[in-house]
Amino acid sequence: DAEITQSPRHKITETGRQVTLACHQTWNHNNMFWYRQDLGHGLRLIHYSYGVQDTNKGEVSDGYSVSRSNTEDLPLTLESAASSQTSVYFCASSPLALAGTRTDTQYFGPGTRLTVL
Amino acid sequence: KNQVEQSPQSLIILEGKNCTLQCNYTVSPFSNLRWYKQDTGRGPVSLTIMTFSENTKSNGRYTATLDADTKQSSLHITASQLSDSASYICVVRSTSGTYKYIFGTGTRLKVLA
Repeated sequence: DAEITQSPRHKITETGRQVTLACHQTWNHNNMFWYRQDLGHGLRLIHYSYGVQDTNKGEVSDGYSVSRSNTEDLPLTLESAASSQTSVYFCASSPLALAGTRTDTQYFGPGTRLTVL
Repeated sequence: KNQVEQSPQSLIILEGKNCTLQCNYTVSPFSNLRWYKQDTGRGPVSLTIMTFSENTKSNGRYTATLDADTKQSSLHITASQLSDSASYICVVRSTSGTYKYIFGTGTRLKVLA
């Protein structure tokens, strides 16, 4: 069955270290997204991609970067981890579709809980 | 400012009872509204989607309503089950800006036996 996976599921790192979170989907979806989820906030968009070699900044992109070298993967890199980046990170994918149609559903991965000490 | 507000923040009900969750939004221009269910430790899963012209949508024991005039939506859960314990997130998509999804903070529902 097609799916979307994230790794690692849990990560503890130290301030200043570079961290990369992996996201892999087997639906062949064009669109992929990274969100963070914090208490008291809804999911907030970090970066998104419409396809290979395309990346775009979301509302909370500072300190994060992504690259899209193939359809299946969108790794998220924290260049120099900060305590404010302690959060749960979700990757999502969706097929290319018109807004308002059923096919713009986002499918979410299981999440990565990141702790920055 | 585009916002999605959900109420209550949390809710505890007994198994078999019904409940209704509320979502008010100020997102404009409006494209669609989704309700997601998020189990603890998992990613959100889509329950329903409604566009401007739809005012009711059902998915099993879940029924969502939308009043585009008052910018309100509700999710009604009938005959609750223990497995309904989860967070329910309202998400509104705007047609302004690509992939402009506005997420509510969710309602945490606990169903007790």
